[in-house]
Amino acid sequence: SYELTQPPSVSVSPGQTATITCSGDKLGDKYACWYQQKPGQSPVLVIYQDSKRPSGIPERFSGSNSGNTATLTISGTQAMDEADYYCQAWDSTFYVFGTGTKVTVL
Amino acid sequence: EVQLVESGGGLVKPGGSLRLSCAASGFTFSNAWMNWVRQAPGKGLEWVGRIKSKTDGGTTDYAAPVKGRFTISRDDSKNTLYLQVNSLKTEDTAVYYCTNQDCSSTSCYTGYFDYWGQGTLVTVSS
Repeated sequence: SYELTQPPSVSVSPGQTATITCSGDKLGDKYACWYQQKPGQSPVLVIYQDSKRPSGIPERFSGSNSGNTATLTISGTQAMDEADYYCQAWDSTFYVFGTGTKVTVL
Repeated sequence: EVQLVESGGGLVKPGGSLRLSCAASGFTFSNAWMNWVRQAPGKGLEWVGRIKSKTDGGTTDYAAPVKGRFTISRDDSKNTLYLQVNSLKTEDTAVYYCTNQDCSSTSCYTGYFDYWGQGTLVTVSS
């Protein structure tokens, strides 16, 4: 079965850049998306189709996908960005989530 | 405003059954692919299954751990999605989320979930 691997945690200082990776075999051949989940809340889509932002998502969230790795970048990280982040991909039948990354804003 | 409201969760014994519901509004339900995603306590997200729109065949697909035990159905006249869960195991304990893929956007054909409900908790324990 297909697997997506993320680092368990990323720490970032306020105003700095947080980079979260998502690794999977030939992931660049699929579309990747990213969800943000704050404690006690449902996930929210923050990036779709590798690099597109839904309406209402701040410009500081950006994404890319190439080779075996998709990346979510949070520029100028704010305290409100502290959350769990999950990547997700689709092989036209099955949907696979990454293992999740906890972003801590120190 | 898109709303997805799940209900039907609760405490059930191993081997038992439940039917979860998801009431949808704010988008054209009949034109959407609908999914169930679950999250065990303190764990990550796990896709459970999907039902396509009737226009796209109304077919279902399931993750391996639930195939043969869980059944997804939809009632487009009531804008409601269902998940029948049978032969429950302790490892099925999770919050179950309903998610939509609005085929008027690109989500159906590029594989992302537009919106999520608030979830309903299923606890399987003796």
